[in-house]
Amino acid sequence: AQSVAQPEDQVNVAEGNPLTVKCTYSVSGNPYLFWYVQYPNRGLQFLLKYITGDNLVKGSYGFEAEFNKSQTSFHLKKPSALVSDSALYFCAVRADTGGFKTIFGAGTRLFVKA
Amino acid sequence: EAGVTQSPTHLIKTRGQQATLRCSPISGHTSVYWYQQALGLGLQFLLWYDEGEERNRGNFPPRFSGRQFPNYSSELNVNALELEDSALYLCASSLVGVPNTEAFFGQGTRLTVV
Repeated sequence: AQSVAQPEDQVNVAEGNPLTVKCTYSVSGNPYLFWYVQYPNRGLQFLLKYITGDNLVKGSYGFEAEFNKSQTSFHLKKPSALVSDSALYFCAVRADTGGFKTIFGAGTRLFVKA
Repeated sequence: EAGVTQSPTHLIKTRGQQATLRCSPISGHTSVYWYQQALGLGLQFLLWYDEGEERNRGNFPPRFSGRQFPNYSSELNVNALELEDSALYLCASSLVGVPNTEAFFGQGTRLTVV
């Protein structure tokens, strides 16, 4: 069965510091991995995805994520956090088996302090 | 190009009533997903429709149901509303048979049961 774990409910970081939001997954078959961001009272916005190829994926707003197959992880990173990055972040996985259903993690709330 | 649209944006119902939520996917998308997001919580998968058929269902009681119309728009119906059904209901659409493509989300319907 597919599953996604975001082990941290909340991440706090000072503005200008690097940030990491963690995600691990479990799937049968090849994974397709996604990160989404949600601002208050809004729907989810797509940030980036890993399909195949280079393990380091670059996305919107300066975010990037690193796919690690051996650790089954897909951590979201940004070299220098902004206060405006404060939001709820969701990791999601879809496998190339099992009907393409997308499974989301529980979400990690990121607080960036000025 | 129009994104995923959901209506209404807000809905207030009394316990025991029925609620109907609507979703129009992005043009060309045939898969529609419904998710429930209770206040401060992550996304809970409700339903997945593709080509007019229900493909998968989350762990929700039968009073949560829906359908997909020939134009791929979708309805989510919640019968016998309970207070704990109060949540943000998000609809997402994606291309069918293309698992490496991201889902696009609507802004959600905020359902309040009083």
